[in-house]
Amino acid sequence: DVKVTQSSRYLVKRTGEKVFLECVQDMDHENMFWYRQDPGLGLRLIYFSYDVKMKEKGDIPEGYSVSREKKERFSLILESASTNQTSMYLCAGGKGLAGNYEQYFGPGTRLTVT
Amino acid sequence: QKEVEQDPGPLSVPEGAIVSLNCTYSNSAFQYFMWYRQYSRKGPELLMYTYSSGNKEDGRFTAQVDKSSKYISLFIRDSQPSDSATYLCAMSDGYNKLIFGAGTRLAVHP
Repeated sequence: DVKVTQSSRYLVKRTGEKVFLECVQDMDHENMFWYRQDPGLGLRLIYFSYDVKMKEKGDIPEGYSVSREKKERFSLILESASTNQTSMYLCAGGKGLAGNYEQYFGPGTRLTVT
Repeated sequence: QKEVEQDPGPLSVPEGAIVSLNCTYSNSAFQYFMWYRQYSRKGPELLMYTYSSGNKEDGRFTAQVDKSSKYISLFIRDSQPSDSATYLCAMSDGYNKLIFGAGTRLAVHP
């Protein structure tokens, strides 16, 4: 049974704090993704990675960075958290970068920035 | 205009009803079509996956793609309270990233 785990289910941080969201997959997939999910907007891609130490910007990378030091681990970093980054963050892994393969999602981290 | 449009609902139906969920899209290059189900406080899970046009059936679920109308549907027969969730459509041309709809909230009441 494939599994994607995220380090926290709920997180509350203050404006200006540096925030780390961790994601681990056990599928041995090359590709990993970070999305944010907001009501009425669906899932929007922040960053993705197609190999260790490789990363590409998605649709909304501003205010975020990522790190992929090991194949199974993909971290999302909020350099200086702001209230407009309050959201549900979803990590996914998959065989393909595009929609030709399934993406497997983690349970999500609900981040509140006050 | 969004690339993928999906009515957010909520859609409320009685147990046993046939449910129809729909998405429209504007990019004629899309050829991979997916439906994800997301329960409250969980991540999305893939429900149905269709390549190109046509129908695909899996138990009580049927996915339909009409590329000429740029319209996809998910039908749920004999709906159950356990089907209550948000349903997200997603699609891709196979070369670029997945594009998701905003999701439709479905409530099936006993």
